[in-house]
Amino acid sequence: DIVMTQSPDSLAVSLGERAAINCKSSQSVVYSSNNKNYLAWYQQKPGQPPKLLIYWASTRESGVPDRFSGSGSGTDFTLTINSLQAEDVAVYYCQQYYNTPLTFGGGTKVEIK
Amino acid sequence: EVQLVESGGGLVQPEGSLRLSCAASGFTVSDKYMSWVRQPPGKGLEWVSVIYIGGHTYYADSVKGRFTISRDDSKNKLYLQMNSLRAEDTAVYYCVRGRFEESSFYFDYWGQGALVIVSS
Repeated sequence: DIVMTQSPDSLAVSLGERAAINCKSSQSVVYSSNNKNYLAWYQQKPGQPPKLLIYWASTRESGVPDRFSGSGSGTDFTLTINSLQAEDVAVYYCQQYYNTPLTFGGGTKVEIK
Repeated sequence: EVQLVESGGGLVQPEGSLRLSCAASGFTVSDKYMSWVRQPPGKGLEWVSVIYIGGHTYYADSVKGRFTISRDDSKNKLYLQMNSLRAEDTAVYYCVRGRFEESSFYFDYWGQGALVIVSS
């Protein structure tokens, strides 16, 4: 199974500042046939189900604000939230869909400083 | 509008059984890769099972042989039959739609979840 490791476990960021969340996979999630990274990011607000933010490591889902961006390739990925807003308080998860079983990172809790 | 509504959760004794249902609207279940993902209270996400468009099914090792995913195309519903339940199966169970691209799928719509508590 591919193990997904997120860091940090939590972070506190001031409103308007940048938050960066890291995700590392235990093996590459890039298929050489199409050079795509099989990596998604989800946001889970308190009391709600997760919501898709980013897929293919850097493609924003429709309707997701452009302050959210994804980067990285191979085994190392980053979700960046530029100019943090109050409504961004949530737990963020990365997930690989390179193979089954699909696996998630442990989550990163983002709070306001 | 895509909607997924789970039902059937509740309190069950260890070694008991429970069947979760997921009513879908706004799309056809048989046209999508449908999964169950669970989340123990206060913890992270764990993929449980998937049923492919063609009907093939796959399971996490933690539930293999105990859980069965199925769908009823006439009712546009997804199910999860859970047998031999254990305390560690206690979780919110989400019905999740998969978006298939480039030979795999990621999760684009999630239901609100159904809480399953396994306890004596």
